[in-house]
Amino acid sequence: TQLLEQSPQFLSIQEGENLTVYCNSSSVFSSLQWYRQEPGEGPVLLVTVVTGGEVKKLKRLTFQFGDARKDSSLHITAAQPGDTGLYLCAGAGDNFNKFYFGSGTKLNVKP
Amino acid sequence: EAEVAQSPRYKITEKSQAVAFWCDPISGHATLYWYRQILGQGPELLVQFQDESVVDDSQLPKDRFSAERLKGVDSTLKIQPAELGDSAMYLCASSLLASGRADTQYFGPGTRLTVL
Repeated sequence: TQLLEQSPQFLSIQEGENLTVYCNSSSVFSSLQWYRQEPGEGPVLLVTVVTGGEVKKLKRLTFQFGDARKDSSLHITAAQPGDTGLYLCAGAGDNFNKFYFGSGTKLNVKP
Repeated sequence: EAEVAQSPRYKITEKSQAVAFWCDPISGHATLYWYRQILGQGPELLVQFQDESVVDDSQLPKDRFSAERLKGVDSTLKIQPAELGDSAMYLCASSLLASGRADTQYFGPGTRLTVL
């Protein structure tokens, strides 16, 4: 059973389009991270959100943490082929600094 | 910028052989994690250390997998004997704070294991 559900699982879009990826749970997390992973590489941290309702922007990427700290979204504006990859969310539990990963959203941006 | 180091990057072995992976976390990071990732899926935690102690190894197949972090710095993950189903990416990550506090984990480049 996956503690964090990510949707959609797969997304294929044209360059220039906007998209939103979701990360949902019934559990509360003390913080939530988003990562991007390219084939054959380890996940690279994009952002950490800590406060309920928090919004962070990283160039064309906007991250939001739900008010109840149970869900998060990642919005990409004007997607580029370089955004292609596996997007993972990970929630941090209160105990023992343990992280729970979603199954990921595989994004393909076509030129 | 400090990084998590892993070696080897790639390993090909035959089933029933022994393999070992090494991880050097970011200096000063108290917590170290080993994950296994099947292609296209999210990482699955195998073992978590705080300093030299195991905090969580509930998902580690202990009949064939072992992990140690003797001096609370670098760590080794071993598989003996390897099975076909062990083919995956093995990721190491570390985080600064000790258990019980929210923190961010940083990943190494991973070791891609192929068992023939």
